[in-house]
Amino acid sequence: QVHLVESGGGVVQPGRSLRLSCAASGFSFSNFAMHWVRQAPGKGLEWVAVIWSDGSHEFYANSVKGRFTISRDTSKDTVYLQLSNLRVEDTAVYYCAREMSLDPSVRAYYFDYWGQGTQVTVSS
Amino acid sequence: EIVLTQSPATLSLSPGERATLSCRASQSVSIYLAWYQQKPGQAPRLLIYDASTRATGIPARFSGSGSGTDFTLTISSLEPEDSAVYYCQQRINWRALTFGGGTKVDIK
Repeated sequence: QVHLVESGGGVVQPGRSLRLSCAASGFSFSNFAMHWVRQAPGKGLEWVAVIWSDGSHEFYANSVKGRFTISRDTSKDTVYLQLSNLRVEDTAVYYCAREMSLDPSVRAYYFDYWGQGTQVTVSS
Repeated sequence: EIVLTQSPATLSLSPGERATLSCRASQSVSIYLAWYQQKPGQAPRLLIYDASTRATGIPARFSGSGSGTDFTLTISSLEPEDSAVYYCQQRINWRALTFGGGTKVDIK
């Protein structure tokens, strides 16, 4: 079955960097766009970034544009999120999520599978 | 950015009762809206997409309706395990996907 496992979270000082990983299994990774979604403590969900199935395009939320970079390695079935110049307000659980496939020619932009999340805490 | 406003913030109902959750968009999203369920300490779970299509394995007591700017998630007969926070999400502006603030459903 589909499995997404995030790792790489931790406690980091403001201005520092961190790289999150999400290992995928149970499906053909190269056929699916992948996203990162975060959730600050006690708050709602915030979409962060997407990378297309072939890695050709990436898009980011305005709140992280220029500081975060999403990438993927098809040989490892893994998607990454590089977090740079971290701020206190980036503190959150970071989830990776698979974009559902409705039709090979139509993008869905909904999330049918999620990982368990990895906690990132930015604090001095 | 499309803002999604969910109401009420909290809903407290008894098992067997009907729950009606609302999601209002700041501009039309056509039918491109999904609903997710999130239980404490768990990742969200997709319930409904394209406003009214149930995702795989979702019980029939969950239904969605609406188009344009006004959407409803209905749970026809609440079960104790339906206690959770429910979020809506739009995808018409795919470069800036957004979620609503959530509705918490408490089962008395």
